[in-house]
Amino acid sequence: AQSVTQPDIHITVSEGASLELRCNYSYGATPYLFWYVQSPGQGLQLLLKYFSGDTLVQGIKGFEAEFKRSQSSFNLRKPSVHWSDAAEYFCAVASRSNDYKLSFGAGTTVTVRA
Amino acid sequence: NAGVMQNPRHLVRRRGQEARLRCSPMKGHSHVYWYRQLPEEGLKFMVYLQKENIIDESGMPKERFSAEFPKEGPSILRIQQVVRGDSAAYFCASSAKQGADEKLFFGSGTQLSVL
Repeated sequence: AQSVTQPDIHITVSEGASLELRCNYSYGATPYLFWYVQSPGQGLQLLLKYFSGDTLVQGIKGFEAEFKRSQSSFNLRKPSVHWSDAAEYFCAVASRSNDYKLSFGAGTTVTVRA
Repeated sequence: NAGVMQNPRHLVRRRGQEARLRCSPMKGHSHVYWYRQLPEEGLKFMVYLQKENIIDESGMPKERFSAEFPKEGPSILRIQQVVRGDSAAYFCASSAKQGADEKLFFGSGTQLSVL
């Protein structure tokens, strides 16, 4: 069964500093990979996704993620965080055969301090 | 354009009561997905529906849970005889077509609390 691990439950970062959120997956073949963000009281919003091709994926709001097959990882990065980036971030995977069925990690809460 | 609308936002039920959660997909979307988020866990897939059809209910508990997406009106997730373990956030998502390449739009969720 596929699984997604987000090792960091909570990260605090200063405004303007860089941010990296870790995501590891366990799956037999390369799945589709996603990062979502959830602000308080809001639904999940797609930041970016990887299907194939270039392993460095650019997303919205200045985020990017890099797929590393050898490490089964899909870490999310942002060079300089803004206070509005404070939210919960979810990594998700979907198999290529049942691509509508996402499996989510438990999430990482990001706090941004001034 | 309204996004995916879920109501109620918060629902409190006593053990043994029924819970009905509603999801109105985005305009033009005929594919609806329900996910459940238990405390401290990630979202878990429950069911995928198209208009009047259940496509995949492999994530639904075998008993007490049912879902529908009628030709007219919202999708309904129904939980009969709720228990404390049903307390969770229930999210609905919709898309115009099936496929990971299709963007999923999520609602804000319904927080179910069972007393």
